Amino acid sequence: SQQGEEDPQALSIQEGENATMNCSYKTSINNLQWYRQNSGRGLVHLILIRSNEREKHSGRLRVTLDTSKKSSSLLITASRAADTASYFCATERGADGLTFGKGTHLIIQP
Amino acid sequence: DTEVTQTPKHLVMGMTNKKSLKCEQHMGHRAMYWYKQKAKKPPELMFVYSYEKLSINESVPSRFSPECPNSSLLNLHLHALQPEDSALYLCASSQPGVGSYEQYFGPGTRLTVT
Repeated sequence: SQQGEEDPQALSIQEGENATMNCSYKTSINNLQWYRQNSGRGLVHLILIRSNEREKHSGRLRVTLDTSKKSSSLLITASRAADTASYFCATERGADGLTFGKGTHLIIQP
Repeated sequence: DTEVTQTPKHLVMGMTNKKSLKCEQHMGHRAMYWYKQKAKKPPELMFVYSYEKLSINESVPSRFSPECPNSSLLNLHLHALQPEDSALYLCASSQPGVGSYEQYFGPGTRLTVT
């Protein structure tokens, strides 16, 4: 079963704008991770935030985690055409293996 | 080397065929995973191997048979598949256990069952 629900399911913005994606989950977690997938290829790990962290940055990425609301957000600043991809949040269930959300398909218009 | 390799990239097989998917990593990871991904859907966990032992089987039909010959290799043996098994099969690896470890994914094998 899927743990995370991404919002929105699809997002189209102009190059240079910021993109925000949200993820909600249902059960308690050890950490929450965000992955990117380009057009039916393998997933690339972007960032991991532990359950005791509230915010984390990595380059143009900013992730927040609100365990009281069971939600996370991924912000990509100054978007580029190369950021066009599907983005998934994933939660670790406690004994290996990830449960992925439904994903947000991001399109950056040049 | 932070790469997970998968072969073949594409596979077309009939419902009576037997084929195998292969996955390899040389990062020293002791946990390896198979995921199945249908078009426009998220990956779904199939199997987890931890220290070369099967630790999680997500109620996958027996026509899928995983094998972990050593700490670097992971196979998925396919037999008598159905057309609905057509999907992208992803392999991943990581450090094992509950330790907030990222997973490294291979590019996947796109399987078509005819």
